[in-house]
Amino acid sequence: AQSVTQLGSHVSVSEGALVLLRCNYSSSVPPYLFWYVQYPNQGLQLLLKYTSAATLVKGINGFEAEFKKSETSFHLTKPSAHMSDAAEYFCAVTNQAGTALIFGKGTTLSVSS
Amino acid sequence: DVKVTQSSRYLVKRTGEKVFLECVQDMDHENMFWYRQDPGLGLRLIYFSYDVKMKEKGDIPEGYSVSREKKERFSLILESASTNQTSMYLCASSQGQGGNEKLFFGSGTQLSVL
Repeated sequence: AQSVTQLGSHVSVSEGALVLLRCNYSSSVPPYLFWYVQYPNQGLQLLLKYTSAATLVKGINGFEAEFKKSETSFHLTKPSAHMSDAAEYFCAVTNQAGTALIFGKGTTLSVSS
Repeated sequence: DVKVTQSSRYLVKRTGEKVFLECVQDMDHENMFWYRQDPGLGLRLIYFSYDVKMKEKGDIPEGYSVSREKKERFSLILESASTNQTSMYLCASSQGQGGNEKLFFGSGTQLSVL
């Protein structure tokens, strides 16, 4: 069965520091993988998605993620955190039928000055 | 700009009431979804629909039903609300293959069942 595991429910970084949010997936078929972000009191919006075209995927707001099949990982990174990056981040994988997304439990990113 | 609109931002209902949560999208998308979001549990799929009058159960359909009479509107129904259905409900829509395409989310409805 398809699933994603986000390691760490809460990550804290200083402004300007590297952001690393971890996601491991389980999939019986080649996966489609996504990262979504939810800012306070808003719905989710797409950051980036992996569709097998390239293992390094660039998204909005300076975020990127690398697909590593050998590690079954799809970690999200940003070289330099900004205060506006404080939000909840969700990793997601397509279900086996390819009809819907299965989301992880989320990681809350806090950024301090 | 694309839009998914959920009719209520906050809703308070009593145990046993029948509750309707409404969602409308203006993008002519085939696929629509209902998720519930709970702290520490992330988003869990309740139901989805890939066409008018079509519906599929998600991971947690118990206690819920849905209705899709028109392409742009997808309703979530709590037949007899219970306190464990207190949650944030998120509606989303997508074009094409539902699992592979970008989801557009509404702002959510925070439902409290007392």
